[in-house]
Amino acid sequence: DAKTTQPNSMESNEEEPVHLPCNHSTISGTDYIHWYRQLPSQGPEYVIHGLTSNVNNRMASLAIAEDRKSSTLILHRATLRDAAVYYCILSVLYGGSQGNLIFGKGTKLSVKP
Amino acid sequence: NAGVTQTPKFQVLKTGQSMTLQCAQDMNHEYMSWYRQDPGMGLRLIHYSVGAGITDQGEVPNGYNVSRSTTEDFPLRLLSAAPSQTSVYFCASSYGGRFTEAFFGQGTRLTVV
Repeated sequence: DAKTTQPNSMESNEEEPVHLPCNHSTISGTDYIHWYRQLPSQGPEYVIHGLTSNVNNRMASLAIAEDRKSSTLILHRATLRDAAVYYCILSVLYGGSQGNLIFGKGTKLSVKP
Repeated sequence: NAGVTQTPKFQVLKTGQSMTLQCAQDMNHEYMSWYRQDPGMGLRLIHYSVGAGITDQGEVPNGYNVSRSTTEDFPLRLLSAAPSQTSVYFCASSYGGRFTEAFFGQGTRLTVV
């Protein structure tokens, strides 16, 4: 299965932008890039996803490199509620996962007041 | 909207006992899946279904059975519980698989003693 590489942890200050990086050098042309986050003691929550173009929604922005081998999740103004583990996931077309989400260990984001 | 509902929220089993974890969604989603999450780890895919009557194995299927007789329900059965199955279990559903966002339940915390 296609793999992603993320930093284990990052820190941010409240109300500042946060850029969470993800490397996925083995991505294929049909793989979607998904981001989910998981708050303590909760199930994962969808953040954003994309294929080739940059994407924006009410929660965040997703910037995808031109060669698609890396992407960055951008939280425009971090709040204390954004402290969570953020997962960068490739949703593949072929292979055993058949379009499911295969999670790595993610990045634990801490937000300081 | 209830979304994805998992029952029970907590369960303690003795080694060798069997039980069924329930998962129901009210969004008419075709795709459903089961994950387990061990401490400090990301989620691992157990089984998934792309529609009623169709199921397949994920990354860690051993010791678990599933069936999908209706669109709404996707129960996970532990045939003979083992301590290694102590984990938090999450059910997820989505409309279009890898093209769309997935919705997760709140999880079932299972302890096998």
